[in-house]
Amino acid sequence: EDKVVQSPLSLVVHEGDTVTLNCSYEVTNFRSLLWYKQEKKAPTFLFMLTSSGIEKKSGRLSSILDKKELFSILNITATQTGDSAIYLCAANYGGSQGNLIFGKGTKLSVKP
Amino acid sequence: GAGVSQSPRYKVTKRGQDVTLRCDPISSHATLYWYQQALGQGPEFLTYFNYEAQPDKSGLPSDRFSAERPEGSISTLTIQRTEQRDSAMYRCASSTSGTQETQYFGPGTRLLVL
Repeated sequence: EDKVVQSPLSLVVHEGDTVTLNCSYEVTNFRSLLWYKQEKKAPTFLFMLTSSGIEKKSGRLSSILDKKELFSILNITATQTGDSAIYLCAANYGGSQGNLIFGKGTKLSVKP
Repeated sequence: GAGVSQSPRYKVTKRGQDVTLRCDPISSHATLYWYQQALGQGPEFLTYFNYEAQPDKSGLPSDRFSAERPEGSISTLTIQRTEQRDSAMYRCASSTSGTQETQYFGPGTRLLVL
């Protein structure tokens, strides 16, 4: 059965802390791994990862994929209260069109 | 139908024209999503429907974008007064219910605004 598992399900940190969010996947015909940030409205796309070992970086956020071990991590350094959100991981898999399967998300709360 | 279908597959239009894209989801699926995907990027949520209801349209980039699903099945995405920055792949997906169920994508509509 295809699945995406995220951990932890929730996390509370203080401003300035560094956090690591985990995502493991088991899907057939894997294409890419996607990270989204979801606040009150629609999820915001963060990263798409297709190659192992190549870190993608955007400001204080970075992510890397390990296709051998079938997981990805999302790092956030120097967290701010504005980073509080649900972080969703999704695996794009399947045939020529691809499908998207989401994990349940990690709820991150950053306290001042 | 057996899968999600979209039409047209390609659309070239001139700046300022209106375009309407169509999505026909898997027949048993309650939830339908629209995404915009730039080259080399992941799909970005635009809006979604649960049957005919549209709980969230905050991902639509401007008021030139609108979507409908009047009978809870086929959906259309309309872009009015197109601009060059609207050029992208527009992808539709559907799922049985809920926004975290597996989403099945259509082939997409490649829009080019000249």
